[in-house]
Amino acid sequence: QKEVEQDPGPLSVPEGAIVSLNCTYSNSAFQYFMWYRQYSRKGPELLMYTYSSGNKEDGRFTAQVDKSSKYISLFIRDSQPSDSATYLCAIGKLTGGGNKLTFGTGTQLKVEL
Amino acid sequence: NAGVMQNPRHLVRRRGQEARLRCSPMKGHSHVYWYRQLPEEGLKFMVYLQKENIIDESGMPKERFSAEFPKEGPSILRIQQVVRGDSAAYFCASSPSLIVGQTDGYTFGSGTRLTVV
Repeated sequence: QKEVEQDPGPLSVPEGAIVSLNCTYSNSAFQYFMWYRQYSRKGPELLMYTYSSGNKEDGRFTAQVDKSSKYISLFIRDSQPSDSATYLCAIGKLTGGGNKLTFGTGTQLKVEL
Repeated sequence: NAGVMQNPRHLVRRRGQEARLRCSPMKGHSHVYWYRQLPEEGLKFMVYLQKENIIDESGMPKERFSAEFPKEGPSILRIQQVVRGDSAAYFCASSPSLIVGQTDGYTFGSGTRLTVV
């Protein structure tokens, strides 16, 4: 079983739609949770990070974590064509050896006019 | 303030040659991570370094791969005797702190796309 599972998509939505992206994870030792956006041929850029169960909002983006279910989500409101990208969830735990992240495979999102 | 700089952006090597990938972290960042992204797969951790020290290399293949982060200069990921399966995008990330979640998280470079022919 993979440590992080993410539906690869592709997901296609009309402009203005609410998008829901999800990941599940298997190891309850993970301590923090991130969402990255990756445009084609670019490096990932951090969108959101959070430690605790609950919601965290930043503009049109809301990250949701449910540690009891080992489930994390990213919601995008009023989606725009510029949101078309691959979205990667990443989870991590602080260890004596640093903060390596475990990534999902990414969900490809296309927002159409 | 330049971001994480990786070069070259694209690298083509013949089977059996050596590949050297360079990463200059953001100013003030002393923690460097290398990840590999294969087609249709997520980013996979390879190695974590601080200046002059390899802290965690648990994701590195046992043979042909090595990494360094010298006191002066960029971090280098070196792949000897490349094979076709090494073709991938290699990303470097840096952070200013051990506590990634308490900062802006990792900052990734744009990657080096290695093609082995």
